[in-house]
Amino acid sequence: AQKVTQAQTEISVVEKEDVTLDCVYETRDTTYYLFWYKQPPSGELVFLIRRNSFDEQNEISGRYSWNFQKSTSSFNFTITASQVVDSAVYFCALSEAGNYGQNFVFGPGTRLSVLP
Amino acid sequence: SAVISQKPSRDICQRGTSLTIQCQVDSQVTMMFWYRQQPGQSLTLIATANQGSEATYESGFVIDKFPISRPNLTFSTLTVSNMSPEDSSIYLCSVRTVYNSPLHFGNGTRLTVT
Repeated sequence: AQKVTQAQTEISVVEKEDVTLDCVYETRDTTYYLFWYKQPPSGELVFLIRRNSFDEQNEISGRYSWNFQKSTSSFNFTITASQVVDSAVYFCALSEAGNYGQNFVFGPGTRLSVLP
Repeated sequence: SAVISQKPSRDICQRGTSLTIQCQVDSQVTMMFWYRQQPGQSLTLIATANQGSEATYESGFVIDKFPISRPNLTFSTLTVSNMSPEDSSIYLCSVRTVYNSPLHFGNGTRLTVT
């Protein structure tokens, strides 16, 4: 069965600090997809990134970077030089290949507060 | 990605009443889903909205409580019936445009039941 764990319930940092959000997943499939979403206080869910299980290259997009390590079943998300606008709840999610959405599993989320 | 319009964006309803939430997508999508997010919690899939047939409900959700319609590939409704305060949540419409693509979400409906 699929499972996504985000051990950090809440994180507070001061602006300009770097912060890493942890995500650990469980799956029996060899082909799967991992995602990160951002939910700001306004409530909408914003898609940030998708990785497939065959691509372990790290990815960087501006201040955001993602570290995917199959050996530890982790897909961690780092925000460099955090800003107040980064304050949100961040969800990691897993989808096994062949499951159109019924098994799109979300982690419990990490609430990030960036203080000025 | 698809543009998803959901309404109402929020509502305050009385116990025992029903609310219908609409979800409109700007393009045809095969896969459409309804999620619930209870306060401070993660997202839980309610059901898959199937075009032209009955929705597929997840464990713990039933059609009598959450009837869903999907008359075409761009529109769906979710009704929350006979509401109680425990139904206070954010309800989110989501779509998947192609196989294994990301889920994209509407802005959600923030429901408060008094």
